[in-house]
Amino acid sequence: VHLVESGGVVVRPGGSLRLTCAASGFDFGDYTMHWVRQAPGKGLEWVSLISWDGSRTDYAASVRGRFIISRDNSKNSLFLQLNSLRSEDAAFYYCAKDISPFQMLSNFDSWGQGTLVTVSS
Amino acid sequence: DIVMTQSPLSLPVTPGESASISCRSSQGLLYTNAYNYVDWYLQKPGQSPQLLIYLASNRASGVPDRFSGSGSGTNFTLKISRVEAEDVGVYYCMQALQTPLTFGQGTRLEIK
Repeated sequence: VHLVESGGVVVRPGGSLRLTCAASGFDFGDYTMHWVRQAPGKGLEWVSLISWDGSRTDYAASVRGRFIISRDNSKNSLFLQLNSLRSEDAAFYYCAKDISPFQMLSNFDSWGQGTLVTVSS
Repeated sequence: DIVMTQSPLSLPVTPGESASISCRSSQGLLYTNAYNYVDWYLQKPGQSPQLLIYLASNRASGVPDRFSGSGSGTNFTLKISRVEAEDVGVYYCMQALQTPLTFGQGTRLEIK
């Protein structure tokens, strides 16, 4: 299993960007996927999930209405669109894979290395 | 939201000794299927988190049997027997019963 995030950049408050998680080594389309973030030196915060077929999504209250999770199973890719960015959104963003196929157990058995989003004017 | 509270927040341990971390949830994590929806993760310095224990007591693949999880309802414990230098890092509990999924504050284990 290999998860590689990309897309983290320096962005101004109010700006937007799209994160990508490229997956390999497993049947991507069978698994619920998540985004988890961590501000530098701080703890972990769950951000969003998307079911294996994309039919269900959910968000933390802090990002609902501003972030959009999506996936392209034909390209083994997970995305997170970040809009209306705030200083408190600055963090490492990790994608994580659920442990069992076709379920939403929310046990993250594989994580990417993370991509850093910096929000600064 | 379910609040997860860990203790202690800092844990100095002598190699070879045992260590325990407590995690308390603001609501019960026992689901109707008889599983407790709590996981334990370790984030080693400079690395991404890794799953240690899922559903309160199930060791993830490749995790040494020195690590064990126990508890039910609102009180959970991660025990590390025979602590080794490679076990240093920050340990997090997380509830997976309902969204938003929530983590504890983290417990930093260091070697004396």
